[in-house]
Amino acid sequence: SYELTQPLSVSVALGQTARITCGGNNIGSKNVHWYQQKPGQAPVLVIYRDSNRPSGIPERFSGSNSGNTATLTISRAQAGDEADYYCQVWDSSEVFGGGTKLTVL
Amino acid sequence: QVQLQESGPGLVKPSETLSLTCAVSGYSISSGYYWGWIRQPPGKGLEWIGSIYHSGSTYYNPSLKSRVTISVDTSKNQFSLKLSSVTAADTAVYYCARQVGVGATPFDYWGQGTLVTVSS
Repeated sequence: SYELTQPLSVSVALGQTARITCGGNNIGSKNVHWYQQKPGQAPVLVIYRDSNRPSGIPERFSGSNSGNTATLTISRAQAGDEADYYCQVWDSSEVFGGGTKLTVL
Repeated sequence: QVQLQESGPGLVKPSETLSLTCAVSGYSISSGYYWGWIRQPPGKGLEWIGSIYHSGSTYYNPSLKSRVTISVDTSKNQFSLKLSSVTAADTAVYYCARQVGVGATPFDYWGQGTLVTVSS
């Protein structure tokens, strides 16, 4: 089965840029979606199909996907961006990454 | 605004069947889209369980397929999950969500989730 690898945690200084990676075999050939999940809440879609933002998601959130790594980039990180982030792809089944906890220092 | 709401027992005994329903408002299931179930064990990540189209066609996570049944009731605008022969490993928050389509598509609207504990 297809596996997605995310770092357990990423830290970023307030106002700086955070990058969260999602690794998978030839993931660049797949569509990657990203979700933000705050404690006690349901996930929220923040990026779909590699680099598209749903309505209401700030432009600070962007995504890219190439080779074996997809990346979620959060510019000008805010305290409110602290959350767990999950990537998702389809490979004969819906697959989620293990999640990355983002800490804003 | 599309809203989804899970409901069902919060406690299920081992070896029994877990049953949950997801009521959809603000959108008619008959109009299209897929409708899915995702779960999250306490302190862990997300796991897709399966999804259903309004016509009734389904696709399931291969690791759970033998125990999962997802059905849809368009007259009530809701869909349901049944997971049989549960064990403590099935303890999780269960989410229902709308999915744009099969494969390569995201879950764009989610319910708030409901915690199901498997315990005697």
